[in-house]
Amino acid sequence: QKEVEQNSGPLSVPEGAIASLNCTYSDRGSQSFFWYRQYSGKSPELIMSIYSNGDKEDGRFTAQLNKASQYVSLLIRDSQPSDSATYLCAVMSSSNTGKLIFGQGTTLQVKP
Amino acid sequence: GAVVSQHPSWVICKSGTSVKIECRSLDFQATTMFWYRQFPKQSLMLMATSNEGSKATYEQGVEKDKFLINHASLTLSTLTVTSAHPEDSSFYICSARDKDTYNYGYTFGSGTRLTVV
Repeated sequence: QKEVEQNSGPLSVPEGAIASLNCTYSDRGSQSFFWYRQYSGKSPELIMSIYSNGDKEDGRFTAQLNKASQYVSLLIRDSQPSDSATYLCAVMSSSNTGKLIFGQGTTLQVKP
Repeated sequence: GAVVSQHPSWVICKSGTSVKIECRSLDFQATTMFWYRQFPKQSLMLMATSNEGSKATYEQGVEKDKFLINHASLTLSTLTVTSAHPEDSSFYICSARDKDTYNYGYTFGSGTRLTVV
């Protein structure tokens, strides 16, 4: 079992729709979770961080965390073509090393 | 916001030569920096954790004598790929954690695309 799992996609949604990206993790002791966006040929940029169960909203983005189910998700409302990218879920290891473990990423395509 | 500067952004080198990549935190102090490698259409794979003033911790399967990491100050870490071979061609990315915002998201450098010919 991979430490952090994501569906590689591609996930295709029409412009203006809601895109839903999912991630599961195996380290039950993890407390910090992150979503990064990576455009082709570029390095990742942080979109959201979440530490507590429930929802966290920031503009068009909502992160959801369920530690009991070991599940993190990212919702993108009113999707735009510029949102087309690979979205990486990252989980901070509970080993106190500060390591981030990345999923394989989900490619999102927003079609005009 | 936090900025991590990584240089060079791309480099082409001959097989057998060494290449040094620099990663600097510009507006914060980073006690810990991380080095990742990313092959095309794959995710980021952690290579090593670099701690200021101490030896780096390498992930399983990463050759510490081939990928030399130095973290001599709170703002600078370097990765040297020694005796590079074509299979070392990849996208290398550093990330840093602000020591004053321990648990927050890490900032990534812009990456270095290494091509070994």
